[in-house]
Amino acid sequence: DAKTTQPPSMDCAEGRAANLPCNHSTISGNEYVYWYRQIHSQGPQYIIHGLKNNETNEMASLIITEDRKSSTLILPHATLRDTAVYYCIVRYMIYNQGGKLIFGQGTELSVKP
Amino acid sequence: GAVVSQHPSWVICKSGTSVKIECRSLDFQATTMFWYRQFPKQSLMLMATSNEGSKATYEQGVEKDKFLINHASLTLSTLTVTSAHPEDSSFYICSVRLQSYNEQFFGPGTRLTVL
Repeated sequence: DAKTTQPPSMDCAEGRAANLPCNHSTISGNEYVYWYRQIHSQGPQYIIHGLKNNETNEMASLIITEDRKSSTLILPHATLRDTAVYYCIVRYMIYNQGGKLIFGQGTELSVKP
Repeated sequence: GAVVSQHPSWVICKSGTSVKIECRSLDFQATTMFWYRQFPKQSLMLMATSNEGSKATYEQGVEKDKFLINHASLTLSTLTVTSAHPEDSSFYICSVRLQSYNEQFFGPGTRLTVL
């Protein structure tokens, strides 16, 4: 699975949009981009995933560049409860068979009042 | 998403004893479950992949005789840490992947402390 690069930490003001970048320059055609987050001392929580089109759900939006070498997770209105470590992971998926989720170091997002 | 539970949520044991951690998929049948370990201030590390009814596949560097995994049913996988030592103290997290979905869901984790 392709590796990802994320900034180790970011701050965001409460109520503002949090934009978390991820580089995955070696991503291949069958690899999806997944985002998870982990609040302290809890299991990771699924946020969103995508292949090449932008995706949006009730939690976040995922913007993938046209060349698919990078992506941005957007939390439109960050709250204090969004403070967590955010992991960007690329995983292959073909014929509904997926590879393993391998976690990198992630970005520690601190939402401040 | 799928609900995944783990039991116990935390456990303290003496060095040399064995500890069993259960992982249950409460509302879906899980053909594949994963076990991760997380040390303080570090990321999750995949330990092994288990498929129902077959032997687990361990990641490089993970001792299969020390971390016994049993996936006897589509809703239950267990991880047994045998002859635990203080260096095994960690946060153990299981995960469930549903064959019909692209998402993978995680349990709340089990904090193991070995004295």
